[in-house]
Amino acid sequence: EAQVTQNPRYLITVTGKKLTVTCSQNMNHEYMSWYRQDPGLGLRQIYYSMNVEVTDKGDVPEGYKVSRKEKRNFPLILESPSPNQTSLYFCASSLSKNSPLHFGNGTRLTVT
Amino acid sequence: QKEVEQDPGPLSVPEGAIVSLNCTYSNSAFQYFMWYRQYSRKGPELLMYTYSSGNKEDGRFTAQVDKSSKYISLFIRDSQPSDSATYLCAMSEYSSASKIIFGSGTRLSIRP
Repeated sequence: EAQVTQNPRYLITVTGKKLTVTCSQNMNHEYMSWYRQDPGLGLRQIYYSMNVEVTDKGDVPEGYKVSRKEKRNFPLILESPSPNQTSLYFCASSLSKNSPLHFGNGTRLTVT
Repeated sequence: QKEVEQDPGPLSVPEGAIVSLNCTYSNSAFQYFMWYRQYSRKGPELLMYTYSSGNKEDGRFTAQVDKSSKYISLFIRDSQPSDSATYLCAMSEYSSASKIIFGSGTRLSIRP
């Protein structure tokens, strides 16, 4: 089944403890992206990647890192999480930047 | 002022009703217009996609874009309880996957 898989689905952590949210797609998509979804603010792009080893900042990149060493994987790294990064995170992929986005089912992160 | 405005609802209508969902925007350079549907605890899924102005119909769903008024609409005919979800409008100057600005979503409930 074609899908975007995120792990974990739920994560509770403490301020300053490094964490990684994984994202994997099995559709051979070139384009991958991370979003956060907050009430009243909608989905906002954190980082995106046009292809392997090509990444760029979205609208809200502060406090996040990404890497794209393989085409299928696009992990989101929070080096020192803070409570304002408590949010619902979505990974998405598409065949190209002109193709529709396919979203994962989200990771709900709580930072205390 | 947000670039994309969307009434958060909630909107509750009886089964079989025609539903109208709307977004307004301020950036006249937007060319790609999309509607996503998001069920609870799931990622958004693309419902409709329109390039530039005009109407597009797919089954019970019709998307309209009025660039002169900076206004887009999604109509749902013969609404079903399975249509109960949050509907997100989205738009971009550049493509259907890149640099997308999302509305904050309208929560829709269809009463049996």
